[in-house]
Amino acid sequence: DQQVKQNSPSLSVQEGRISILNCDYTNSMFDYFLWYKKYPAEGPTFLISISSIKDKNEDGRFTVFLNKSAKHLSLHIVPSQPGDSAVYFCAASDKGTYKYIFGTGTRLKVLA
Amino acid sequence: GAVVSQHPSWVICKSGTSVKIECRSLDFQATTMFWYRQFPKQSLMLMATSNEGSKATYEQGVEKDKFLINHASLTLSTLTVTSAHPEDSSFYICSAGLAGLYEQYFGPGTRLTVT
Repeated sequence: DQQVKQNSPSLSVQEGRISILNCDYTNSMFDYFLWYKKYPAEGPTFLISISSIKDKNEDGRFTVFLNKSAKHLSLHIVPSQPGDSAVYFCAASDKGTYKYIFGTGTRLKVLA
Repeated sequence: GAVVSQHPSWVICKSGTSVKIECRSLDFQATTMFWYRQFPKQSLMLMATSNEGSKATYEQGVEKDKFLINHASLTLSTLTVTSAHPEDSSFYICSAGLAGLYEQYFGPGTRLTVT
């Protein structure tokens, strides 16, 4: 079963606008969440993370929101830039194992 | 962030042969290393977790006799794909971390093609 899901396989956004990528999880033991950006045939690049004791974390153009009751997190990118075009993965971890369970990915395309 | 390298970056091998992939943490001593596999247009799937000096823990459905993992030092882990078959063709990515911490630092990946 897929414990971490990204229900939108793709998303297109105009340059300068906000990109919102969503992620849902089922395991209530997850207590740390991350977002990664990935290009084909490359390793993932860390973007931002959030602990379950917070509901928001911000780093420059990237903000992650966590709604624990809904088991949902989202990544906001504003303003979106063409260089943001890539596949974005959310990942979840728990204090027992520190393993990452990755979501299914969302391909973001930012149109110039 | 910390730097993790993988070697080789890509490899082509014939069916039935074995291939070794190295993962090195270049600027810190990694107590834990993780191995992932990614098939085209799919997610990264964790294969195994290895702690330095002990046997790797494999995820359900991953054959430990086929994917041999060695983590003999704090800076090097190796994944050996034994008797490779075309269905093992994939993108293999390692990451390195420290025990008790969430952060993992990812390598650039290795593309394996089995003909």
